[in-house]
Amino acid sequence: DQQVKQNSPSLSVQEGRISILNCDYTNSMFDYFLWYKKYPAEGPTFLISISSIKDKNEDGRFTVFLNKSAKHLSLHIVPSQPGDSAVYFCAASAWYGGATNKLIFGTGTLLAVQP
Amino acid sequence: GAVVSQHPSWVICKSGTSVKIECRSLDFQATTMFWYRQFPKQSLMLMATSNEGSKATYEQGVEKDKFLINHASLTLSTLTVTSAHPEDSSFYICSAPTSGGPSTDTQYFGPGTRLTVL
Repeated sequence: DQQVKQNSPSLSVQEGRISILNCDYTNSMFDYFLWYKKYPAEGPTFLISISSIKDKNEDGRFTVFLNKSAKHLSLHIVPSQPGDSAVYFCAASAWYGGATNKLIFGTGTLLAVQP
Repeated sequence: GAVVSQHPSWVICKSGTSVKIECRSLDFQATTMFWYRQFPKQSLMLMATSNEGSKATYEQGVEKDKFLINHASLTLSTLTVTSAHPEDSSFYICSAPTSGGPSTDTQYFGPGTRLTVL
């Protein structure tokens, strides 16, 4: 049961243009969402997050949008740069009252930014 | 950002041997750490939650007797793959949140350990 889905396994974008990576989830209990960037043979690097009480969060070139009714979030990268080429994972968590929360990851989208 | 290290970065072992992987939070304390594994071109799958001072919590389908987790201190968790077999070959990654609160804590990941079992 894949609770977090990234339906596009890959995306190719020209340098300077916008990259839009999409993520869908099924568990309505998720209340916190994160995007991670990952290079091969390395651990994921945190990019940006959003709480379910917001619908947008921006940090420099990265903006995450959350549509709770559609259970959908997206990551926008503007302008895209060749160094952005990597696999992007979205992740979600829900707080059940414990000390901290486990993350459920999507399957990842490989972004290739062409010079 | 916070730093999480893993050791070793890669290991090759013979089938039937045990391998220990260390995960350390270098500049913060972590009462909880998470262990993931990733197969090629697949997502990160949570294996277990490592809790300092108590037993680890394993995800469904993960053999706790095969993947031994010890959270010895607030900065160190270890994963031991016992009697490793070729199907255990994978990329193992640990993570630690920087705060022990509700959902809004951010997890920082180690660089991962590539295990190859011959």
